[in-house]
Amino acid sequence: QVQLVQSGAEVKKPGSTVKVSCKASGGTFSSYAIKWVRQAPGQGLEWMGDFIPFFGSAKYPQKFQGRVTITADESTSTAYMELSSLRSEDTAVYYCARGGAALHYWGQGTLVTVSS
Amino acid sequence: DIQMTQSPSTLSASVGDRVTITCRASQSISSWLAWYQQKPGKAPKLLIYKASSLESGVPSRFSGSGSGTEFTLTISSLQPGDFAAYYCQQYNNYTYSFGQGTKLEIK
Repeated sequence: QVQLVQSGAEVKKPGSTVKVSCKASGGTFSSYAIKWVRQAPGQGLEWMGDFIPFFGSAKYPQKFQGRVTITADESTSTAYMELSSLRSEDTAVYYCARGGAALHYWGQGTLVTVSS
Repeated sequence: DIQMTQSPSTLSASVGDRVTITCRASQSISSWLAWYQQKPGKAPKLLIYKASSLESGVPSRFSGSGSGTEFTLTISSLQPGDFAAYYCQQYNNYTYSFGQGTKLEIK
């Protein structure tokens, strides 16, 4: 049974950086990409990028290029999402998820609040 | 970028009703479409993948159809636990995007 457990809630100042972790258990960590999706309060879902452990590479949509970095540590089966230059619009719940074309497994979500 | 448009944005229905949600892609995505259910304060849950394949453990009253640019999610007989938000998601050329969501509420 695959489980994804994320780090706890964060409160950050504008302009700072946040790093959220996602620890996987069950299954083979390198078999599937880990994706990051965020959801602003009362809003829909937004793909932020993913990391493919097998290739050791990440892919980001243009909107987040240069501001988000997704990495993974295969030795601990943990993925990380780092978002820099935070602004109030980045206040959201951040989810990690695992799958190929569809996201079969999701973490519980991490609330990141950006406030001065 | 591929845009996904869901309709309706809100749907009011009663227990036992048959409901359909539509998702349109701005260009062909073959059958690379998934549907998710999300309840307040919870992570999304995969219902349907590859347009019409039912995820393990999901009740058979949920079904998906379509290909190319037009897709539908049908719930054959609404149960009390089905009142939630629903999202479609496309996969194409290593990019992903979601529809804006449909809120299914009790009439």
